Amino acid sequence: EDQVTQSPEALRLQEGESSSLNCSYTVSGLRGLFWYRQDPGKGPEFLFTLYSAGEEKEKERLKATLTKKESFLHITAPKPEDSATYLCAVQGTDSWGKLQFGAGTQVVVTP
Amino acid sequence: NAGVTQTPKFQVLKTGQSMTLQCAQDMNHNSMYWYRQDPGMGLRLIYYSASEGTTDKGEVPNGYNVSRLNKREFSLRLESAAPSQTSVYFCASTDGTGNTGELFFGEGSRLTVL
Repeated sequence: EDQVTQSPEALRLQEGESSSLNCSYTVSGLRGLFWYRQDPGKGPEFLFTLYSAGEEKEKERLKATLTKKESFLHITAPKPEDSATYLCAVQGTDSWGKLQFGAGTQVVVTP
Repeated sequence: NAGVTQTPKFQVLKTGQSMTLQCAQDMNHNSMYWYRQDPGMGLRLIYYSASEGTTDKGEVPNGYNVSRLNKREFSLRLESAAPSQTSVYFCASTDGTGNTGELFFGEGSRLTVL
């Protein structure tokens, strides 16, 4: 059974204070690992797909990396508009079309 | 750019009542999904439809039924609502080709069962 654990559950940052979110996963064979952003009262919004260990993706102040057991979402010099819940999900090679989501990390960036 | 549209946005039911959540997408996507989101538990898959005319159970299908009405629409029905079904429900879609896992979500339907 695919499993995803995200840590920490919540993170409070000062504007400009860089940090990292962790996503640990177990899956029989990884088809892909996905990061989403969710704003309060909204549906999740896709950010990145990572397919293999060593892969990295960047978008503005966000950078996602992948190893064989975990993924990190690095937030560099965050701004208040980066405040959101960040969700990690995996898709196994035997789980066509089905993603296993973690519970998310709630990030609050204060000015 | 409507994307994925869910109705209703809010609903309060009494135990035992039935209701249907509606979902429509205008992106010509093949695959559609229903998830529920509860505090501390993340998104859990209820049912999905890989393509028009097919539906399959996800992780938590008990108490729900679905209908893939056509390529655009995928509805979720609660036949006899229970307090445990109080949750936020999200519909999502993807083109399904390449199996990218890039899902497009609606804004959610917030259901309370008293």
